[in-house]
Amino acid sequence: GQQLNQSPQSMFIQEGEDVSMNCTSSSIFNTWLWYKQDPGEGPVLLIALYKAGELTSNGRLTAQFGITRKDSFLNISASIPSDVGIYFCAGSQAGGTSYGKLTFGQGTILTVHP
Amino acid sequence: NAGVTQTPKFQVLKTGQSMTLQCAQDMNHEYMSWYRQDPGMGLRLIHYSVGAGITDQGEVPNGYNVSRSTTEDFPLRLLSAAPSQTSVYFCASSLRTVYNEQFFGPGTRLTVL
Repeated sequence: GQQLNQSPQSMFIQEGEDVSMNCTSSSIFNTWLWYKQDPGEGPVLLIALYKAGELTSNGRLTAQFGITRKDSFLNISASIPSDVGIYFCAGSQAGGTSYGKLTFGQGTILTVHP
Repeated sequence: NAGVTQTPKFQVLKTGQSMTLQCAQDMNHEYMSWYRQDPGMGLRLIHYSVGAGITDQGEVPNGYNVSRSTTEDFPLRLLSAAPSQTSVYFCASSLRTVYNEQFFGPGTRLTVL
């Protein structure tokens, strides 16, 4: 099946630092999404991207839909302790039998030291 | 709105036992889906439904059955549990017009001995 390669697998940073993570695929996707999962909870949608080259912000979070449509990036500025969690990228292809199916990356575990 | 609710939160089964994981949503979402989450593997789609009476297989459907008799409910059935089905199960729902923007439930942690 399709696979998304997400990196890094984990990050340990100091409060106040900026964070960058990315997701790549061998296949083209028409939608990229970024989710965050807190311990013991389900994932929560952070940002959805629908056009190649699109750059979208949500507070301190900024995500980009790569021009090749095979990658996406998430940046977190000025990290705070509540940013701790697992960040997942997810992609979706257009039409046909792929309708309704999301493919998820393996996740990036973020730890923020006060 | 309660959003997406899942029961039970934890469950321990013996190999060969059957059970049903419950999922309900009160947002009138057409699209519902089931995922399993295993360490280091992200979330993998098991089954999904685009509306009442319509279901289809995802990436890892073997060993699981689903049905969708109402818009609100989407139960996941394990007919004969196996240790390989030990995992955390998440149900999600979304509007069909923006099906990618899925709302997830809190999950069910299942252990099969």
